[in-house]
Amino acid sequence: DAGVIQSPRHEVTEMGQEVTLRCKPISGHDYLFWYRQTMMRGLELLIYFNNNVPIDDSGMPEDRFSAKMPNASFSTLKIQPSEPRDSAVYFCASTTGTLRYEQYFGPGTRLTVT
Amino acid sequence: AQSVTQLDSHVSVSEGTPVLLRCNYSSSYSPSLFWYVQHPNKGLQLLLKYTSAATLVKGINGFEAEFKKSETSFHLTKPSAHMSDAAEYFCVVSDVAGRRALTFGSGTRLQVQP
Repeated sequence: DAGVIQSPRHEVTEMGQEVTLRCKPISGHDYLFWYRQTMMRGLELLIYFNNNVPIDDSGMPEDRFSAKMPNASFSTLKIQPSEPRDSAVYFCASTTGTLRYEQYFGPGTRLTVT
Repeated sequence: AQSVTQLDSHVSVSEGTPVLLRCNYSSSYSPSLFWYVQHPNKGLQLLLKYTSAATLVKGINGFEAEFKKSETSFHLTKPSAHMSDAAEYFCVVSDVAGRRALTFGSGTRLQVQP
């Protein structure tokens, strides 16, 4: 199994630019999560989907952040416009209803906004 | 609300000596508890999980953890540290029943001295 796939692995962009992070969950998993990891705040949940439908987006920091899941095998997290404080590692994770809360994480995208 | 507290931000041991990483949790429900490990510049890997079965849980790479409800603890142990165990370890609690998100502790960095 390929595991959770994220792209790009590294992204450097200038303040004000649009950034799109991508995630492909494990085949057959019906839950998908986006997390952000920073030194100051640790790992925090941004949003999660079940069967492609957003269930809880209360962790999305601002309207500049948006996430979509157009199908079971693809999700995007978009930041527009980006700011230096968005610099972090963004993780995608997936799981299935038969696993009791165990989640499988992708390698992460390290975002640097200058 | 549920939360986890990792009592040590940094632990240093010598190779071949025991490892103890401490975690206390708070949950209104019967929680599922996990330990995840993150090696430098890598994603998170599940080490072990407790889901209301046996209170002593064995994981990968010789790690184990014991769920103690009376002490609300879920400490991670290993009899003999290896250099490859150097990493960041996260204690994680499942979110409210029916909501599949995870709540992460702040992490403990394990350093293994030769």
